Amino acid sequence: DTAVSQTPKYLVTQMGNDKSIKCEQNLGHDTMYWYKQDSKKFLKIMFSYNNKELIINETVPNRFSPKSPDKAHLNLHINSLELGDSAVYFCASSHLGNSPLHFGNGTRLTVT
Amino acid sequence: QKEVEQNSGPLSVPEGAIASLNCTYSDRVSQSFFWYRQYSGKSPELIMSIYSNGDKEDGRFTAQLNKASQYVSLLIRDSQPSDSATYLCAVGSNDYKLSFGAGTTVTVRA
Repeated sequence: DTAVSQTPKYLVTQMGNDKSIKCEQNLGHDTMYWYKQDSKKFLKIMFSYNNKELIINETVPNRFSPKSPDKAHLNLHINSLELGDSAVYFCASSHLGNSPLHFGNGTRLTVT
Repeated sequence: QKEVEQNSGPLSVPEGAIASLNCTYSDRVSQSFFWYRQYSGKSPELIMSIYSNGDKEDGRFTAQLNKASQYVSLLIRDSQPSDSATYLCAVGSNDYKLSFGAGTTVTVRA
């Protein structure tokens, strides 16, 4: 009955590798997001999709590519991982507009 | 990214006291305001939302919004050790983005 679930929970990989994080929500929301939380706990938006359409694309290296096959799923693929990509990545969902976000449990990415 | 600033922590309060958290935002057209609680190693959890000026109470939590001053606050009454966490202020505008402050870490001393 998990509302927003993302996998994997932990991801440890070496520089230069390519990795993906998957997210699924069963709340019936039409909008999904990727946020990055750095070591200082600052949450910064990366991307947002509304009904499979990209609506927010912040200044993120093009090594990061989101993909939304349907409005319940949003994946994040990262190419050529760098040390600075180490962070916790949160998937979230909401209804479009002034609605609160519901977060997944996060994926802690460590690049060595 | 639009600025959302929170009072710097950490904030240490004795059990049973009131914890007061403040947040200011830069975008005058902001319309939605949220407080999230984040325990160490966990995801942010929504505890309060407020959309219009004034106070909103939910149990031991009270959110206060003053759009003219671009200010939103959170009061935690009768603080408990389980309230020890980082509290994140989030502000939303018409561009569908929710901008977060850096958070204030609260420690409730037993």
